[in-house]
Amino acid sequence: GQNIDQPTEMTATEGAIVQINCTYQTSGFNGLFWYQQHAGEAPTFLSYNVLDGLEEKGRFSSFLSRSKGYSYLLLKELQMKDSASYLCAVYTNAGKSTFGDGTTLTVKP
Amino acid sequence: DAGITQSPRHKVTETGTPVTLRCHQTENHRYMYWYRQDPGHGLRLIHYSYGVKDTDKGEVSDGYSVSRSKTEDFLLTLESATSSQTSVYFCAISGGGSSYEQYFGPGTRLTVT
Repeated sequence: GQNIDQPTEMTATEGAIVQINCTYQTSGFNGLFWYQQHAGEAPTFLSYNVLDGLEEKGRFSSFLSRSKGYSYLLLKELQMKDSASYLCAVYTNAGKSTFGDGTTLTVKP
Repeated sequence: DAGITQSPRHKVTETGTPVTLRCHQTENHRYMYWYRQDPGHGLRLIHYSYGVKDTDKGEVSDGYSVSRSKTEDFLLTLESATSSQTSVYFCAISGGGSSYEQYFGPGTRLTVT
């Protein structure tokens, strides 16, 4: 089975940096996704990590350690619009993704 | 944005009635998924399809059935709706191969009274 853990809530200040962690235990691991979901909207794709290391995409970066079953999403220069839920999802070789419960990030002025 | 729509967007129905939700895509993607999202539970996979007439169960499939007779359409049916099936339902598509990320439809808010 799959087990994915991420913090329920986080708060940060506009302009700051925040790191959202995700740990997982799974079989048939292929890669790890991060999605962003604003309240009342559908999730949107942010990043996909297959290999160990850091992938940077603008203000957002995602890190993966396969041996440790660990990933994080790093958000820099936080903006108010970054207030949202961030979903970690494990992609398996069965073609399915299993999602964590999400981390609700609140950015304060 | 990926061409994916869901209908209806909102529905209120009574316990015991059958309900069908439709997901339609214009991207010719191979994989299609149905999730439900409830407060505190994130997205949970109900059923998914890896091709026309090829479907498989997800982690919360009891009480749901699906059909995919065309590449572009994936139907989710609640045979006899219960109050525990009140939720927001999201459809998603992905290309498979080297395109693993999923694109989500706008969601259907279903209330079973």
